[in-house]
Amino acid sequence: DAGVTQSPTHLIKTRGQHVTLRCSPISGHKSVSWYQQVLGQGPQFIFQYYEKEERGRGNFPDRFSARQFPNYSSELNVNALLLGDSALYLCASSLIYVQSSYEQYFGPGTRLTVT
Amino acid sequence: QKEVEQDPGPLSVPEGAIVSLNCTYSNSAFQYFMWYRQYSRKGPELLMYTYSSGNKEDGRFTAQVDKSSKYISLFIRDSQPSDSATYLCAMRVTGNQFYFGTGTSLTVIP
Repeated sequence: DAGVTQSPTHLIKTRGQHVTLRCSPISGHKSVSWYQQVLGQGPQFIFQYYEKEERGRGNFPDRFSARQFPNYSSELNVNALLLGDSALYLCASSLIYVQSSYEQYFGPGTRLTVT
Repeated sequence: QKEVEQDPGPLSVPEGAIVSLNCTYSNSAFQYFMWYRQYSRKGPELLMYTYSSGNKEDGRFTAQVDKSSKYISLFIRDSQPSDSATYLCAMRVTGNQFYFGTGTSLTVIP
């Protein structure tokens, strides 16, 4: 049974460019969350989507956007890349959107390097 | 002040030792407390969770939550080289986002 998958695995971009990261949740899971993990830090929450609607947003600039598709896969878009956007971007899926929940399953991440 | 504070280590112990990992937090509204293990170049995997206060045991792992002190711990008994990883604590208020610590890097030496 496939877990959370993310693509691409690695990505190198130049400052000012745009990037799109993709995530496929575990089969049957309807909620996807995105996190940014800078080297040596814990993951920081960016977005959560459930049933194609944004259900939560962390403290990130408007350059970050996301969407969820009818098949529950998701894209994270980052515009006008900065050097500080270099990080591991993690996607996590949950079965449902439950306010009182602890379970989320992470993918392997996409390592983004901005030069 | 950060929501969650965690000593980054690194922590190095001999095989078979008892390991103690800790986090402190500032938001008294946190209700869900989780511990994740993250191997190099992998995503975090959920190890244990606790709701509100108390202890929880799972094999060699014990999680403790002391809400009065805003302090949580993860104990690993009979540590193994395969336990070498970064351990992240995470917390959540009902209906709100997850907040993670910075992670503690653990190496268990054979």
